[in-house]
Amino acid sequence: GQNIDQPTEMTATEGAIVQINCTYQTSGFNGLFWYQQHAGEAPTFLSYNVLDGLEEKGRFSSFLSRSKGYSYLLLKELQMKDSASYLCAVLDSNYQLIWGAGTKLIIKP
Amino acid sequence: GAVVSQHPSRVICKSGTSVKIECRSLDFQATTMFWYRQFPKQSLMLMATSNEGSKATYEQGVEKDKFLINHASLTLSTLTVTSAHPEDSSFYICSASREVSYGYTFGSGTRLTVV
Repeated sequence: GQNIDQPTEMTATEGAIVQINCTYQTSGFNGLFWYQQHAGEAPTFLSYNVLDGLEEKGRFSSFLSRSKGYSYLLLKELQMKDSASYLCAVLDSNYQLIWGAGTKLIIKP
Repeated sequence: GAVVSQHPSRVICKSGTSVKIECRSLDFQATTMFWYRQFPKQSLMLMATSNEGSKATYEQGVEKDKFLINHASLTLSTLTVTSAHPEDSSFYICSASREVSYGYTFGSGTRLTVV
């Protein structure tokens, strides 16, 4: 079956750095997405990785290793507004999005 | 670019009535749109894939006669929850993609409450 694993919850301090991991086992691979979702709102697109390596976009970076079935989202200089759920999703060989359950990130002052 | 508009954002309806939710791609054409449901503190659950000009593809366990999907144009898909019951109360979200590398853009979601 298809499976995406990410931690349920993480806590970090304002101003610090946090890494949210995602491992996946899917039938085929056409890219991996990270989304941010604040409570009661729809998800917003953060990043898309289809090749191995690190993609940096401001305070957020996303890394992919296809051979390991592994990705992480790195958030730097954490701000209180970064408190949200972070969803990992993989596009499989049929171009169907497979979603992880999300990681709830709690930022403490 | 790649804006998806969803309407209404909130709706309260009585049991047994039907509710229509609209999803529009504002600045691109979307031959495919996706409808999700999300219960509190849970992840997104794909309900169906809406295909312009043809029948929607429903995920296992989703009743196609209860959740009617119409994708009549390249910019509009609608989800109608028929004969709504309290257990249908949920957050319904649509999404579409202009191009995979731009990600899948989500509508703002519709919070449905059936009383």
